[in-house]
Amino acid sequence: QKEVEQNSGPLSVPEGAIASLNCTYSDRGSQSFFWYRQYSGKSPELIMSIYSNGDKEDGRFTAQLNKASQYVSLLIRDSQPSDSATYLCAVNLGGYQKVTFGIGTKLQVIP
Amino acid sequence: DVKVTQSSRYLVKRTGEKVFLECVQDMDHENMFWYRQDPGLGLRLIYFSYDVKMKEKGDIPEGYSVSREKKERFSLILESASTNQTSMYLCATSTGIYGYTFGSGTRLTVV
Repeated sequence: QKEVEQNSGPLSVPEGAIASLNCTYSDRGSQSFFWYRQYSGKSPELIMSIYSNGDKEDGRFTAQLNKASQYVSLLIRDSQPSDSATYLCAVNLGGYQKVTFGIGTKLQVIP
Repeated sequence: DVKVTQSSRYLVKRTGEKVFLECVQDMDHENMFWYRQDPGLGLRLIYFSYDVKMKEKGDIPEGYSVSREKKERFSLILESASTNQTSMYLCATSTGIYGYTFGSGTRLTVV
């Protein structure tokens, strides 16, 4: 079983819709959870981090964490074509910050 | 903002060459990491370091070594480059629990 699982997509949503990206992880000891956005040909950039159960909102982005079910999700409201990218879920066990990444979900926002 | 600089954006090397990939950060981050990214496989950790002179193997260290003589510089060495090491190489730094900052990446082609 992969440690961090994501559907590779592509996930296509119309402009203005809500995009929902999901991620599951295998290690119950995981403590820190991250979402990175990666545009084609570029390096990943951190867009959200979450450490406790519940929702965390930042602008149009909401990260959701459910440790009991071992999943973390990212919602993008009012999706824009500029949101088209690959979104990487990342998880670490705490301590030395060694992070394991999912393979990423490719999001396409259709104008 | 933390800046992570990778010395080369594109690199072409011949099979059997010794290859050096350099990464320099301009903040006082303790933790530095080398990943490679391949289609369908995602980001995989090669080596990481939590302090000067210190190094730890990641998930795929075979064929690689690293050097960290100064806190701000973390070098990845391909001892004898092979075609299966053709990949995008990403350096990252972190401090505390706040996620990674990535360099712009080096796309290495071994011919």
